[in-house]
Amino acid sequence: ETGVTQTPRHLVMGMTNKKSLKCEQHLGHNAMYWYKQSAKKPLELMFVYNFKEQTENNSVPSRFSPECPNSSHLFLHLHTLQPEDSALYLCASSQDTGDLYGYTFGSGTRLTVV
Amino acid sequence: GDSVTQMEGPVTLSEEAFLTINCTYTATGYPSLFWYVQYPGEGLQLLLKATKADDKGSNKGFEATYRKETTSFHLEKGSVQVSDSAVYFCALSVYNFNKFYFGSGTKLNVKP
Repeated sequence: ETGVTQTPRHLVMGMTNKKSLKCEQHLGHNAMYWYKQSAKKPLELMFVYNFKEQTENNSVPSRFSPECPNSSHLFLHLHTLQPEDSALYLCASSQDTGDLYGYTFGSGTRLTVV
Repeated sequence: GDSVTQMEGPVTLSEEAFLTINCTYTATGYPSLFWYVQYPGEGLQLLLKATKADDKGSNKGFEATYRKETTSFHLEKGSVQVSDSAVYFCALSVYNFNKFYFGSGTKLNVKP
């Protein structure tokens, strides 16, 4: 029980599909993050939301579209993905950005694009 | 700029061996330092942290001391177990600048 719940745990999608990843936290945190973890590559920060406002977008392709309707929920909408987008997508939350006490991560969604 | 550098893996040890995973950092401001662990198929879990110089973080037999003079936060465990096999990430947070940086991760394999 990590406090951050991601669904689905596994997702296989075709390059023409549209799907969404969901992240939910009830820790009272104000900041939420999407990270991409690919094999043999460092963690890549994708998006940062603080108090529902996007504060960082690390040059992520537009085929990834985040949505943060409230401080407890974060979505990542996917469309027209490429095989190289296959990775583990991790959601995290923290009290605020640059939290001195660390981030809480979800278990991730393992995405495979075929 | 701010960054974290940790030793490349994989590190392979026999059960009950002593573990050290090196981590050094560069930071403006006054960072907090962290070690996260990722077990196979899972997300990252906070293992331990230290928020100021000379603090020692500890958890599950792992320890790391925040050394400002050497800008290091090395992870140690006196006797590893097979269940410690995972990827370990060093990280820092610079509150005043709202930044959080991860190292590239070190994979640990512990053999029985």
